[in-house]
Amino acid sequence: SYDLTQPSSVSVSPGQTASITCSGEGLGGKYVSWYQLKPGQSPLLVIFEDNKRPSGIPERFSGSNSGNTATLTISGTQALDEADFYCQAWDNGGAIFGGRTKLTVL
Amino acid sequence: QPRLQESGPGRVQPSETLSLSCSLSRDSTGSNSFFWGWIRQAPGKGLEWIGSMSSSGRTFYNPSLQSRISMSVDTAENHCSLRLSSVTAADTAVYYCAINTLLLKYYFDYWGQGALVTVSS
Repeated sequence: SYDLTQPSSVSVSPGQTASITCSGEGLGGKYVSWYQLKPGQSPLLVIFEDNKRPSGIPERFSGSNSGNTATLTISGTQALDEADFYCQAWDNGGAIFGGRTKLTVL
Repeated sequence: QPRLQESGPGRVQPSETLSLSCSLSRDSTGSNSFFWGWIRQAPGKGLEWIGSMSSSGRTFYNPSLQSRISMSVDTAENHCSLRLSSVTAADTAVYYCAINTLLLKYYFDYWGQGALVTVSS
């Protein structure tokens, strides 16, 4: 089965840049999406097709995907960005989610 | 902006079948064709994809759950259903309904609030 690997936690100071990676074999050849999940809320799509932002998502969210690694970058991180983040790809007829990355802003 | 609302029993007995429904509502008219998906999150765990289905009826199921899953879509009613049979405590989770409004299967652009299902006698 296809696996996506994310770091369990990432910490960042307010105003700094946070990077969350997602690794998988040949991931650069697949489209990657990123979701933000806050307690008590439904998941929010923040990046789709590797680097596209849905309407309403701040410009500080960006994405890239090459080789075996996709990266979600949050520039000028704000306290309200603290959440769990998940990458997701489609492989062999199914959706695969990475393990949760807890982003802490401190 | 589409709004999704899941509904379900809240509690299901072990070995029984879980049935969940998802209704889509929106302010404007337009295409009723979407790619629907169900995703769950067990307590303390990450997101797990359950299955996806196009409005035309094409289905994709998680191989680990395939033998127990059935999905259906009613395009006219903007409604999607999930049935998961022979449930155990491991199926206790928040179940999310999600769609892709561009008929693309590889990401979900709108999600429901989720329905908590507890498997317990």
